[in-house]
Amino acid sequence: ETGVTQTPRHLVMGMTNKKSLKCEQHLGHNAMYWYKQSAKKPLELMFVYNFKEQTENNSVPSRFSPECPNSSHLFLHLHTLQPEDSALYLCASSQRADRASLNGYTFGSGTRLTVV
Amino acid sequence: AQSVTQLDSHVSVSEGTPVLLRCNYSSSYSPSLFWYVQHPNKGLQLLLKYTSAATLVKGINGFEAEFKKSETSFHLTKPSAHMSDAAEYFCVVSDRDFGNEKLTFGTGTRLTIIP
Repeated sequence: ETGVTQTPRHLVMGMTNKKSLKCEQHLGHNAMYWYKQSAKKPLELMFVYNFKEQTENNSVPSRFSPECPNSSHLFLHLHTLQPEDSALYLCASSQRADRASLNGYTFGSGTRLTVV
Repeated sequence: AQSVTQLDSHVSVSEGTPVLLRCNYSSSYSPSLFWYVQHPNKGLQLLLKYTSAATLVKGINGFEAEFKKSETSFHLTKPSAHMSDAAEYFCVVSDRDFGNEKLTFGTGTRLTIIP
């Protein structure tokens, strides 16, 4: 285990469903990130939270809604998704977003999402 | 703007032979560079990182990489491949973008080890 835990590991949802992905870290990090990993494409940054404040939204459709109630927890709320949203969603954390490379990023194992 | 190019989408080597995974980058500033590995159904694990200290960086599991500014390269090597090295490898450049550090990932190189 890396110290970043994502649940569920796998999720199948219909296009009209509402579901949430959860990410939790107890590494003492203050920055958390959502990434999307699709086949044959580079990882895409979706959202960045630094000290619980959203500092980046990388032009993500509104059907994806992040929530960061505290520095240890990050959620991604999903509603009315499309089949092309099927992907591996990775959560990551770092000490802080503006000095992340000093200590590196820690990734979770991801949630494999399939939209049917 | 920064970018990363992994020159090979797939590399196959025999067990016990050297591994070379190639990465070129472009960046406007002095970047930090990383290699991450992803085993099937797993998240990304940091192999090694370069952050403007020694240009030859040693990582976990016998991997190392050399930062060559003149060639804008950060190739990953290992003297002798092991079956457990079979995975996807990502070269990553980190640069600063209006305060936050921004990661740019390469498209990945799938490493296959032939018994």
